Amino acid sequence: GQSLEQPSEVTAVEGAIVQINCTYQTSGFYGLSWYQQHDGGAPTFLSYNALDGLEETGRFSSFLSRSDSYGYLLLQELQMKDSASYFCAVRGAGSNYQLIWGAGTKLIIKP
Amino acid sequence: DGGITQSPKYLFRKEGQNVTLSCEQNLNHDAMYWYRQDPGQGLRLIYYSQIVNDFQKGDIAEGYSVSREKKESFPLTVTSAQKNPTAFYLCASSDGGHYSNQPQHFGDGTRLSIL
Repeated sequence: GQSLEQPSEVTAVEGAIVQINCTYQTSGFYGLSWYQQHDGGAPTFLSYNALDGLEETGRFSSFLSRSDSYGYLLLQELQMKDSASYFCAVRGAGSNYQLIWGAGTKLIIKP
Repeated sequence: DGGITQSPKYLFRKEGQNVTLSCEQNLNHDAMYWYRQDPGQGLRLIYYSQIVNDFQKGDIAEGYSVSREKKESFPLTVTSAQKNPTAFYLCASSDGGHYSNQPQHFGDGTRLSIL
């Protein structure tokens, strides 16, 4: 089967750095995406990795290691508005190439 | 501004009733999707459509139906056959079709509950 694993909850302090990990098991691999969702809101796209390495977009970076079936989202200079759930999603060859979503990581930021 | 509009924001269903959730997009995207989200869980794909008059079942299509008569519109009907419909329903669209890696853009969702 296809599955993604990510921690259910992570707590960090405002101004700090936090890393949210995602491991996946899919038949075939066509990219790892990250989305942010505030409570009751719509998911919004953050980043996408198709190749190994680090992609940086402002305070957010995303990393992929295809050999380890692993990726992470790195958030720097945390702000209270970053409190949200973060989802990794992988496109694999199974299930007709649809995105498979992790259960989400709730990021709690303390002042 | 371009975007995806879902309505209504809240919807209540009575026993044995079919209800329809609306999704309209003005992004000129070819692909559209319906997802279901339950508390503490990720998104699960109900149906997707790559082009007008074509749609495919996702992992949890039983008890749901869709139509794609116009590029802009992809309504979802939750039928009485769906015995556990209480969830947050999200509509999304993407450019480049279902098989592309373009990001998906989401509406604000419809929260469906049983009366």
